[in-house]
Amino acid sequence: GAGVSQTPSNKVTEKGKYVELRCDPISGHTALYWYRQSLGQGPEFLIYFQGTGAADDSGLPNDRFFAVRPEGSVSTLKIQRTERGDSAVYLCASSLTSEQGKYFGPGTRLTVL
Amino acid sequence: KNEVEQSPQNLTAQEGEFITINCSYSVGISALHWLQQHPGGGIVSLFMLSSGKKKHGRLIATINIQEKHSSLHITASHPRDSAVYICAVPRNSGNTPLVFGKGTRLSVIA
Repeated sequence: GAGVSQTPSNKVTEKGKYVELRCDPISGHTALYWYRQSLGQGPEFLIYFQGTGAADDSGLPNDRFFAVRPEGSVSTLKIQRTERGDSAVYLCASSLTSEQGKYFGPGTRLTVL
Repeated sequence: KNEVEQSPQNLTAQEGEFITINCSYSVGISALHWLQQHPGGGIVSLFMLSSGKKKHGRLIATINIQEKHSSLHITASHPRDSAVYICAVPRNSGNTPLVFGKGTRLSVIA
């Protein structure tokens, strides 16, 4: 595709359920970033990948959150035992080099009831 | 103190006004990003700059590396400029994740 895509665009789930959020980066982009944006706030870093490996996962709030990128392209953010506080827009971005900047996906709006 | 501070937090302007949004940062950076986010929409990158000034249409971004300060200007503002404008800087050198400001919510009234 031409840009970063994320699916689903909206996800409503119940407290305690498991969810997966998917990010398709721009083809060839080696770096992939996950951010979380709560209402009225700027995005906050969760994790980023260089290729298949997580280069920095220090932003993951707790062990209920996990992300993978097994083939170095598509990434999945997994949230176990969801809580109402997990409700936010989850943003994905990708980039090739720092000089070329970062490209953002449209986000997935997660609502935990 | 946040690593990236933006002001003002909210801004309402009349159509045609000249608008300035400010960003101050405390980390050393390679490049600063200005981003635009419409309600319910994704984030669009407006500028990435490491020195001087960049211009794109009615948008102008400037940066002063020594003072760790950047400004985003909008000339002849229009209601379609209404959005949240976010300043962001890399956490470290290279292709590292961004640290974001909280954003400035701009409303331009016709």
